[in-house]
Amino acid sequence: QSALTQPASVSGSPGQSITISCTGTSSDVGIYNLVSWYQQHPGKAPKLMLFEVSQRPSGVSNRFSGSKSGNTASLTISGLQAEDEAYYYCCSYAGSGNLFGGGTKLTVL
Amino acid sequence: QVQLVESGGGVVQPGRSLRLSCAASGFTFSNYGLHWVRQAPGKGLEWVAVIPYDGSDEYYADSVKGRFTVSRDNSKNTLYLQMNSLTYDDTAVYYCAKDVTNFWSGFGYWGLGTLVTVSS
Repeated sequence: QSALTQPASVSGSPGQSITISCTGTSSDVGIYNLVSWYQQHPGKAPKLMLFEVSQRPSGVSNRFSGSKSGNTASLTISGLQAEDEAYYYCCSYAGSGNLFGGGTKLTVL
Repeated sequence: QVQLVESGGGVVQPGRSLRLSCAASGFTFSNYGLHWVRQAPGKGLEWVAVIPYDGSDEYYADSVKGRFTVSRDNSKNTLYLQMNSLTYDDTAVYYCAKDVTNFWSGFGYWGLGTLVTVSS
């Protein structure tokens, strides 16, 4: 099983919206609505931002939203803020195990 | 509040063994599946293993299958990871994480991690 594919980096200005893609296969992202997204600041533990494609845990801003089409899931952050600058990882159930994406560094310009 | 505290990391020689622990509090431990996720220095996240709420089964990443064993003691609110035949590629920060809702829905809470360094 190969890791899910994410862009290495994305950037945006404060107030803008950005989207991070996460591409898998018909054996993981494409068949299960069990995609989750994590934010990780340097030196910190990851934090759950979305689960089951588009569900937000309590306390996560509604500026974070998720969707899925075919084998690709997406995380959209609207109204970018400086504190959103971090690494973002997607993860999908892949049948008896989980797969992570390689991670995307979000830079807020 | 939910707390997960990993321990047991350290420096170990290739081929040796190490056991990690994760002490949990702030939630009903026996109701949730628990995972181990690792992160090599400067690299991304890698899911390692999961055990359901009742310890009835275990699932592993291919990279650790046959070498690592996950277990739990619901009477002690503690999760374990027994790591045998360690290799340099096992060097990483190891996090324990709690299911958000269902077994494979995601990792709702994470510990701060414990560093395992495999070095001769």
